[in-house]
Amino acid sequence: QKEVEQNSGPLSVPEGAIASLNCTYSDRGSQSFFWYRQYSGKSPELIMFIYSNGDKEDGRFTAQLNKASQYVSLLIRDSQPSDSATYLCAVSGGTASKLTFGTGTRLQVTL
Amino acid sequence: GAVVSQHPSWVICKSGTSVKIECRSLDFQATTMFWYRQFPKQSLMLMATSNEGSKATYEQGVEKDKFLINHASLTLSTLTVTSAHPEDSSFYICSARGLAGGLKEQYFGPGTRLTVT
Repeated sequence: QKEVEQNSGPLSVPEGAIASLNCTYSDRGSQSFFWYRQYSGKSPELIMFIYSNGDKEDGRFTAQLNKASQYVSLLIRDSQPSDSATYLCAVSGGTASKLTFGTGTRLQVTL
Repeated sequence: GAVVSQHPSWVICKSGTSVKIECRSLDFQATTMFWYRQFPKQSLMLMATSNEGSKATYEQGVEKDKFLINHASLTLSTLTVTSAHPEDSSFYICSARGLAGGLKEQYFGPGTRLTVT
């Protein structure tokens, strides 16, 4: 069983729409949750992090966490073509200091 | 934000040779550095964690004698791929974290693409 699971996509949304990216994790002791964006051939860049149940908003991005369901999501409002990338969900397992990444969801924002 | 550099950005080497990749934190002291490997269309897989001045901790399945990690200073860690083979061709990415940094303060380098012919 994979520790962090994501739908590989591609997820295609029209420009201006809301993109919804989902991630599930297996370790109930996980404490911290991160969303990274990775453009092709580049290294990941941190977009959002969330520690507590509920929603966290930052500009066009909203992270949602439901620890009971072991589910974390990322919403991107007013999607732009520049948002086209692979989005990686990462989880830290309990008190461990390392990140476990999902395989990523490729997002395509179409004109 | 903090800046992490890697050198080289890409390298091609012949099978059987060794390759060294450098990871530097440019404007902060990195007490912990992480080395990841990413194959095409796959996610980042943590290879090892290194703390300055001590031996690296390798993840299960990663050969420590093949992937030599040195973290001799607070701004530099190196990964040496010894006796490289074509299956070692991958995108190698380091990240660094300072003493007071939590997980969100883990800064990634730009990556090194290794091709072994």
